Amino acid sequence: GQNIDQPTEMTATEGAIVQINCTYQTSGFNGLFWYQQHAGEAPTFLSYNVLDGLEEKGRFSSFLSRSKGYSYLLLKELQMKDSASYLCAVSDSNYQLIWGAGTKLIIKP
Amino acid sequence: NAGVTQTPKFRVLKTGQSMTLLCAQDMNHEYMYWYRQDPGMGLRLIHYSVGEGTTAKGEVPDGYNVSRLKKQNFLLGLESAAPSQTSVYFCASSQEGSGANVLTFGAGSRLTVL
Repeated sequence: GQNIDQPTEMTATEGAIVQINCTYQTSGFNGLFWYQQHAGEAPTFLSYNVLDGLEEKGRFSSFLSRSKGYSYLLLKELQMKDSASYLCAVSDSNYQLIWGAGTKLIIKP
Repeated sequence: NAGVTQTPKFRVLKTGQSMTLLCAQDMNHEYMYWYRQDPGMGLRLIHYSVGEGTTAKGEVPDGYNVSRLKKQNFLLGLESAAPSQTSVYFCASSQEGSGANVLTFGAGSRLTVL
């Protein structure tokens, strides 16, 4: 079966750095997405990785290792507004998206 | 630019009642999707459309029907609502298939079936 694993919840301090991991087992791989979802709102796109390595976009970076079936989202200089759920999704061999359950990130002052 | 708009935002139904959720996008996207989101689970695809006049089943299509009569609109129908259909429903669209393209989501429709 196809599976995406993420931690259910993480807590971090304002101004710090946090890494949210995502491991996947899918039939084929055509890219990995990270979305941010604030409580009661729609998911919004953060990043897309299809090749191994690190993609940096401001305070957010996303890393991919296809051989390990592993990705992480790195958030630097955390702000209170970063409190949200972070969704990992993998595009399988049929270009269908398989979604993880999301990681709820709590930022404390 | 409104993006993706869903109506209604909230609805309470009794078991057996029917309803339709409307999704409208103004980005001229070809692909549209209906997902449901339940606590502790990832987004699950109900139905999707690859263009005007087309529909296809997703991962959890039972109990739902859809129509895409106009490119900008994608309707999700529940003919006989059941408590198991209590969920938050998200509509999304993309220019091409979701596998390699960014999805734009609507704000969600929270449905409760009593």
